[in-house]
Amino acid sequence: GQQLNQSPQSMFIQEGEDVSMNCTSSSIFNTWLWYKQDPGEGPVLLIALYKAGELTSNGRLTAQFGITRKDSFLNISASIPSDVGIYFCAGQRGGSEKLVFGKGTKLTVNP
Amino acid sequence: GAVVSQHPSWVICKSGTSVKIECRSLDFQATTMFWYRQFPKQSLMLMATSNEGSKATYEQGVEKDKFLINHASLTLSTLTVTSAHPEDSSFYICRAYGGTSATTDTQYFGPGTRLTVL
Repeated sequence: GQQLNQSPQSMFIQEGEDVSMNCTSSSIFNTWLWYKQDPGEGPVLLIALYKAGELTSNGRLTAQFGITRKDSFLNISASIPSDVGIYFCAGQRGGSEKLVFGKGTKLTVNP
Repeated sequence: GAVVSQHPSWVICKSGTSVKIECRSLDFQATTMFWYRQFPKQSLMLMATSNEGSKATYEQGVEKDKFLINHASLTLSTLTVTSAHPEDSSFYICRAYGGTSATTDTQYFGPGTRLTVL
């Protein structure tokens, strides 16, 4: 099935650095979601975006819904070791309950 | 907050046996349950969508007779892997969805079930 283009595939950073990852699509989505998945667990919702141009924060996390509705980015500021995990973006079209996922960004934070 | 549980969290079975995985929404009514499969180092792949009281809709390439889904109530859906084979070994995750508005939708993933078929 369709997947979103998520980049980078992996990141290795030092504790305290900022992180940025993004997702793009060739088609429009009405909702963008960002999830974090720890090993052996289900994804946990970090931020949900519902309007084009919307910028939403959740603690050190900030995400934006692109104006074209075809992209979104997630920023993590001042990373800490517990930020380690795989981050997935997901898009949802209007009238559909299905989610289309990116392939994930694996984040490693070195103390 | 809302919680979705899955049982069991992990299971090991012999090839040819059937395994049932339960997904429960604990504090909201899930009108729709989604079942995903995730292989190591890969993203989540949707297997099927089920609405309470009706037959599940399977994604292309997913065998409906092998992966039986039942959504008998608004808080419980089950996935049964019939005649399991080693290639069915994977991480199975459910997502419970309840709501009618994009801004009030409630949708949460379960913690996943690790299936290993010997």
